[in-house]
Amino acid sequence: EVHLVESGGGLAQPGRSLRLSCAASGFTFDDYAVHWVRQPPGKGLEWVSSINWNSGSLAYGDSVKGRFTISRDNAKNSFFLQMNSLRPDDTAFYYCAKSGHSPQLVQGDWFDSWGQGTLVIVSS
Amino acid sequence: DIQMTQSPSSLSASVGDRVTITCRASQSIATFLNWYQQKPGKAPKLLIFAASSLQSGVPSRFSGSGSGTDFTLTISSLQPEDFATYYCQQSYSNLQFSFGPGTKVEIK
Repeated sequence: EVHLVESGGGLAQPGRSLRLSCAASGFTFDDYAVHWVRQPPGKGLEWVSSINWNSGSLAYGDSVKGRFTISRDNAKNSFFLQMNSLRPDDTAFYYCAKSGHSPQLVQGDWFDSWGQGTLVIVSS
Repeated sequence: DIQMTQSPSSLSASVGDRVTITCRASQSIATFLNWYQQKPGKAPKLLIFAASSLQSGVPSRFSGSGSGTDFTLTISSLQPEDFATYYCQQSYSNLQFSFGPGTKVEIK
């Protein structure tokens, strides 16, 4: 059974940094691209970032480009989201998710497994 | 960037009703459209991928259709466990997997 577990959320001051982790199990990790999606409390889903199997292809949403960095460690079946220059509007539940069928960032992909989410609050 | 809209933003329905949710893309996305269900306090769950393919384990009362810019998610006979928020997602752009704003399905 696929299992994704986020960690690293918490309270951060504006301008500071936070690093989220997602531990994966139940599938061959380096066979799939992986993703981060966030959701401000009471609001909708926003795609944040994606990474292909070998870290050769990265993608970011416009609202986080230049501030957030996605990475992965296939030896540890984990991937990460380094969040710098945090702003109050980054406050959200952050979910990690697994590609439905591809190791690459491809047209036609879907997110077939999700973690339970970790809450990031940015406030002074 | 491709923008996604959904209608209605919310609806009230009764158990047994047929429910249809619409998703529209700002440009043609072929059939690169996915649907997710989210219940309060839970992670989203994939229902439909590639516009009309039912994810394994999802009840057959859920179906998807459409291509180009207009898509629909249909629940043929609403069940108590289907009260949730539904999101569409485009995957036409492999570098921008944007979601629609969601449709909340509530009990009438």
